[in-house]
Amino acid sequence: AQTVTQSQPEMSVQEAETVTLSCTYDTSESDYYLFWYKQPPSRQMILVIRQEAYKQQNATENRFSVNFQKAAKSFSLKISDSQLGDAAMYFCASRDDYKLSFGAGTTVTVRA
Amino acid sequence: EAQVTQNPRYLITVTGKKLTVTCSQNMNHEYMSWYRQDPGLGLRQIYYSMNVEVTDKGDVPEGYKVSRKEKRNFPLILESPSPNQTSLYFCASSLSRRMFYEQYFGPGTRLTVT
Repeated sequence: AQTVTQSQPEMSVQEAETVTLSCTYDTSESDYYLFWYKQPPSRQMILVIRQEAYKQQNATENRFSVNFQKAAKSFSLKISDSQLGDAAMYFCASRDDYKLSFGAGTTVTVRA
Repeated sequence: EAQVTQNPRYLITVTGKKLTVTCSQNMNHEYMSWYRQDPGLGLRQIYYSMNVEVTDKGDVPEGYKVSRKEKRNFPLILESPSPNQTSLYFCASSLSRRMFYEQYFGPGTRLTVT
């Protein structure tokens, strides 16, 4: 069984600044994948970034990067140079062979 | 265009009236899944299917049924809806159950049971 915990219900960031979203997970699997999804007001689920557990190198996608600490079971998301379009709810998720488990989400507000 | 479609997008119904939410994907994906999203709880898996005629329970299957008679379709059935099933529902699919395959999500169905 997997559990994913996001301890920050809401985060606010000034436009062009950086914000970091926290995520911890618990899994008994040795092989798994971690994801961050973005859900804008349209409700569409959009994959932001993924990390393979066996890779030590942190994944990066343009302004989005992760800090993956496998021993600590931590998987934080950093959004650099925040833009108004980054305002959304962000979900951390962990996937083993059969299921994708989600955290409760963090709502990100971007101040102009 | 590769996509997952759900119908209806919005539905208001009454307690006990059977309903079906359809899900269809055009990517020839083997794996399909249903989730419900509730405030403060994130998305929770209801049922999943690894291929035609192969389905299994997720974390919150009570009150729901599914079937997978064709590869492209995975309908969610509420035989006797209750107000606690008011939620936002997502269907998702991926090429395989293997974890490294991205799940593609449908646009969501907002269900209200009165």
